Amino acid sequence: KNEVEQSPQNLTAQEGEFITINCSYSVGISALHWLQQHPGGGIVSLFMLSSGKKKHGRLIATINIQEKHSSLHITASHPRDSAVYICAAVPTITGGGNKLTFGTGTQLKVEL
Amino acid sequence: GAGVSQTPSNKVTEKGKYVELRCDPISGHTALYWYRQSLGQGPEFLIYFQGTGAADDSGLPNDRFFAVRPEGSVSTLKIQRTERGDSAVYLCASSSKFGELFFGEGSRLTVL
Repeated sequence: KNEVEQSPQNLTAQEGEFITINCSYSVGISALHWLQQHPGGGIVSLFMLSSGKKKHGRLIATINIQEKHSSLHITASHPRDSAVYICAAVPTITGGGNKLTFGTGTQLKVEL
Repeated sequence: GAGVSQTPSNKVTEKGKYVELRCDPISGHTALYWYRQSLGQGPEFLIYFQGTGAADDSGLPNDRFFAVRPEGSVSTLKIQRTERGDSAVYLCASSSKFGELFFGEGSRLTVL
């Protein structure tokens, strides 16, 4: 079992739909990152969370430390949101730094 | 430059050859990370530098892999006696003091 699990693995949505991607982790963490990776492209960091909720444009990320769960929400989804979304945890055992433990990613496709 | 720069973007080599991959982080970022991403997989940690020193090299798969960062800026990942299984995208990231991560576009290595 991976230390960081994501669901769903694949998601197809229609333009305008509200999308939720979930991430659960089994280790203690100091922070959690949500990353976006376009096909053939590099990785962009969307959020870094250690508690609560963050919002940037149509993207919202939440984390519940007690339940060891985080969600990434996309409101009013658009085809340009199509990408792989990766959840990555910074385990507290690392004693600092960003030695990430990655989830396997969620492949999102938003259709017109 | 404004972002993390990795060169080469693509490298094709023959089994047994020596390869160097370069990462130029964002100016002023003291933390630098190397990750490896195989096709269809999430990235996996290789090594983390804080300044000039390797703070954590536990992800390097074996002694054919080595990385340096002699002046605390540019880093070079070195792979000796390459094997077909080394084929992957090698990702570099640098981190601000606030922990936010910035990734390069990656170097795609193909070992024939």
